[in-house]
Amino acid sequence: QVQLVQSGAEVKKPGASVKVSCKASGYTFTGYYMHWVRQAPGQGLEWMGWINPNSGGTNYAQKFQGRVTMTRDTSISTAYMELSRLRSDDTAVYYCARDTVLLWFGELSYYFDYWGQGTLVTVSS
Amino acid sequence: DIQMTQSPSSVSASVGDRVTITCRASQGISSWLAWYQQKPGKAPKLLIYAASSLQSGVPSRFSGSGSGTDFTLTISSLQPEDFATYYCQQANSFVTFGPGTKVDIK
Repeated sequence: QVQLVQSGAEVKKPGASVKVSCKASGYTFTGYYMHWVRQAPGQGLEWMGWINPNSGGTNYAQKFQGRVTMTRDTSISTAYMELSRLRSDDTAVYYCARDTVLLWFGELSYYFDYWGQGTLVTVSS
Repeated sequence: DIQMTQSPSSVSASVGDRVTITCRASQGISSWLAWYQQKPGKAPKLLIYAASSLQSGVPSRFSGSGSGTDFTLTISSLQPEDFATYYCQQANSFVTFGPGTKVDIK
């Protein structure tokens, strides 16, 4: 069965960076785009961008450009999201989420059928 | 950017009730819309995609309709496990989520 397992909670100081991992199993990791979505406490969902695990290509939401870096390691079926220059309003649960469409079919669907369990990142001095 | 709104922001309902949630996009998005269910402390779950297509494994009491700017999610007969927050999401131009609708027990 498809599973996305994320790394554990992090506490960071303002100005620091955080790197969250998302290990995929149960399907061909390089066959589906991976997205990252975050949710501040008690708030709604915010899309951050995607990575093509096959090519390593990325596309980031404008809000996060310059601060976010998405990478992958195909040898261990793991995607990463690194956010730099952290601020208190970056405190949120960060999710990885798989796109529904097989990568080789072309366009992304931007629908998310499998999600990781979430990683709480707390930014506090 | 495409903005998404939802109404109501919360609804109190009883088991067996029919519940309808509305989502509106700030510009036309054709049928590029999904609905998700989220329970406290859990990741969202995809219910509906392409405005009206039921995701595999999702009960048939959930249905979606609409196109352009106005969309609805209907739960035909509310079950105890349906008490949750529901989000719409546009997929026409990258991704934007609505603010959510909380369905709680009356």
